Amino acid sequence: GNSVTQMEGPVTLSEEAFLTINCTYTATGYPSLFWYVQYPGEGLQLLLKATKADDKGSNKGFEATYRKETTSFHLEKGSVQVSDSAVYFCALSDLGGLSGGYQKVTFGTGTKLQVIP
Amino acid sequence: DVKVTQSSRYLVKRTGEKVFLECVQDMDHENMFWYRQDPGLGLRLIYFSYDVKMKEKGDIPEGYSVSREKKERFSLILESASTNQTSMYLCAAKRIFQPQHFGDGTRLSIL
Repeated sequence: GNSVTQMEGPVTLSEEAFLTINCTYTATGYPSLFWYVQYPGEGLQLLLKATKADDKGSNKGFEATYRKETTSFHLEKGSVQVSDSAVYFCALSDLGGLSGGYQKVTFGTGTKLQVIP
Repeated sequence: DVKVTQSSRYLVKRTGEKVFLECVQDMDHENMFWYRQDPGLGLRLIYFSYDVKMKEKGDIPEGYSVSREKKERFSLILESASTNQTSMYLCAAKRIFQPQHFGDGTRLSIL
């Protein structure tokens, strides 16, 4: 079956530091890849996505590139802010079950990021 | 923008009670999902639905059931609540080939 592995947290960085959160996946076929962010007390929000190899998703200064050869989708940001403190989830969506109109989404376990002033 | 609304942010129930968690979406999305979120375990899929009255088990369906009588509403039912069902429950809606949209979650405590 599909799986998503992301680096364990928590990750603690100082403001303006460079961020990398690693994510690797196992999937059959050609999944779409996502990063979601969960701020304290809230549900998950889509941060960025990539739907095919070498696509780069970007949003709010965050970037991730779909690397099929290494089955990775690492999240990066050049200069983090205190407001980026949240839990980040890597996820994939495959085409299994398409006949039923359903795409299963598999999540990683989440990485908590804490940015200190 | 898609809005997914979960009926309660916080809920406290007793063991053995029948518990209903409600989720409503306003964008006519075909697929709806229920997850539970626990520290260190990420999101685990309980049930999903790809159409009215259609449902499929996820990875951890035991102790839960669901109902989808209308396209916009997807209910999660704990038939007889137990303490190990204390968790954060997240509902999501999705159109095919599009990302999921999540509600704010219901933090459920079973005493």
